[in-house]
Amino acid sequence: GDSVTQMEGPVTLSEEAFLTINCTYTATGYPSLFWYVQYPGEGLQLLLKATKADDKGSNKGFEATYRKETTSFHLEKGSVQVSDSAVYFCARAAGNKLTFGGGTRVLVKP
Amino acid sequence: NAGVMQNPRHLVRRRGQEARLRCSPMKGHSHVYWYRQLPEEGLKFMVYLQKENIIDESGMPKERFSAEFPKEGPSILRIQQVVRGDSAAYFCASSPSTDFYEQYFGPGTRLTVT
Repeated sequence: GDSVTQMEGPVTLSEEAFLTINCTYTATGYPSLFWYVQYPGEGLQLLLKATKADDKGSNKGFEATYRKETTSFHLEKGSVQVSDSAVYFCARAAGNKLTFGGGTRVLVKP
Repeated sequence: NAGVMQNPRHLVRRRGQEARLRCSPMKGHSHVYWYRQLPEEGLKFMVYLQKENIIDESGMPKERFSAEFPKEGPSILRIQQVVRGDSAAYFCASSPSTDFYEQYFGPGTRLTVT
C-alpha cells in the first residue's frame, strides 16, 4: 500500500548547522509530496510541497526536491535556528487523503 | 480568513462516556478530513467528508466511532463508550474543492480518557 518512511529522531543540532531529514515513499503512481511542521502544542502547518518529478518545494529556507528515481523527498535547510525546533512530517497524497511518515523531532540548541 | 477551528482543545472523559469533537473548516472549504495522532506517532487518516456525505471512512475503527458533516454547522467526530486507547490528539483538516491535497490543519483536540 501507500506508505512514507522518514528518519527517526530526535535530531539534535546546534544553531546554524545544516539539517537533512530523509523521506522516502512507495512508488505507486506519481503522488504529490509534502512536508508539514508541528510546533509544540499546535496543529500541523504545511511547510512545502511538490507535485511532480524534479519539482523543488521551498519555504522559510527549507527545500525538498521530488526525486522519482530514488522515490525520495528529503528536507534540507542550510542554517537552522532555535525557532526551527519542531516535529517534521513527510506526507504523500494517496487517493483522497494524505499518508504521513512517523515524524522526526528536531531540536536546535543555541 | 480564519483558519480551521476545533473545539474543545482539551477534553477529558471517563471510560464509557461519549466524546464529541467539533471542527469548523476554513471559509470556502467544502472538504473535511479527520486524523488521529497517538503519542509519539504520526498522523493516521480516519475519515474524509464533504457536506452531508462520507466519502472515505477506511481509517475509522469499525465500532464506536462516527463522523458527520451536516449541511449547516461544524463537522463532528463522535466516539462512544471511550476507552483508554482512544486517548490521542485528533486533528481536523480542510481543503478547497480545487485542490484537496492542500490540507490546512486545525490545532487539534487532545482527548484524555481516565
